[in-house]
Amino acid sequence: GDSVTQMEGPVTLSEEAFLTINCTYTATGYPSLFWYVQYPGEGLQLLLKATKADDKGSNKGFEATYRKETTSFHLEKGSVQVSDSAVYFCALRSGGYNKLIFGAGTRLAVHP
Amino acid sequence: GAVVSQHPSWVICKSGTSVKIECRSLDFQATTMFWYRQFPKQSLMLMATSNEGSKATYEQGVEKDKFLINHASLTLSTLTVTSAHPEDSSFYICSAQGGETQYFGPGTRLLVL
Repeated sequence: GDSVTQMEGPVTLSEEAFLTINCTYTATGYPSLFWYVQYPGEGLQLLLKATKADDKGSNKGFEATYRKETTSFHLEKGSVQVSDSAVYFCALRSGGYNKLIFGAGTRLAVHP
Repeated sequence: GAVVSQHPSWVICKSGTSVKIECRSLDFQATTMFWYRQFPKQSLMLMATSNEGSKATYEQGVEKDKFLINHASLTLSTLTVTSAHPEDSSFYICSAQGGETQYFGPGTRLLVL
């Protein structure tokens, strides 16, 4: 079945460091891909999305490119801030179904 | 952007009682809503898909008689945890389908004593 694999955390970075969180997927057909962020004690917020191959989703300095050839959707940010500390979830939605399949989540901690 | 609310944000109840959690889409209509459960430091586990005007579709291993879902209107779905026990303590999150995107509520933390 469809699945999402994320790099394990926690990821600990200093402020202004470069961030990459790896995400790969297995799916039949052509899924839509998402990154959600969860701040402590809160629900999930959509960070960015891409619906077809080679699309780049971007928001708040974060970006991810839908790579069909490598079945990947890695999240990147050039310069992280302390306020980016949260858990990041990669997810896919298979065509024709609204169900989201989530990765395990990656906890990011950014220190001043 | 689209906003989804949940009420209550947290609840403490005694073992054996029932607890109802509401999920509302505030500025859009949602034919489909979803209920998730999240254990500490873990990912979200889909419990059920709620469709307005029809019975919910439960994921394998989720007891439909224990977790009652009602999707009474295009902006409201409710999850009732019946005869709650301490093992039901968790963070319950709903989401509502708006176009191609699921919008998530802030979650409800349930503690059963």
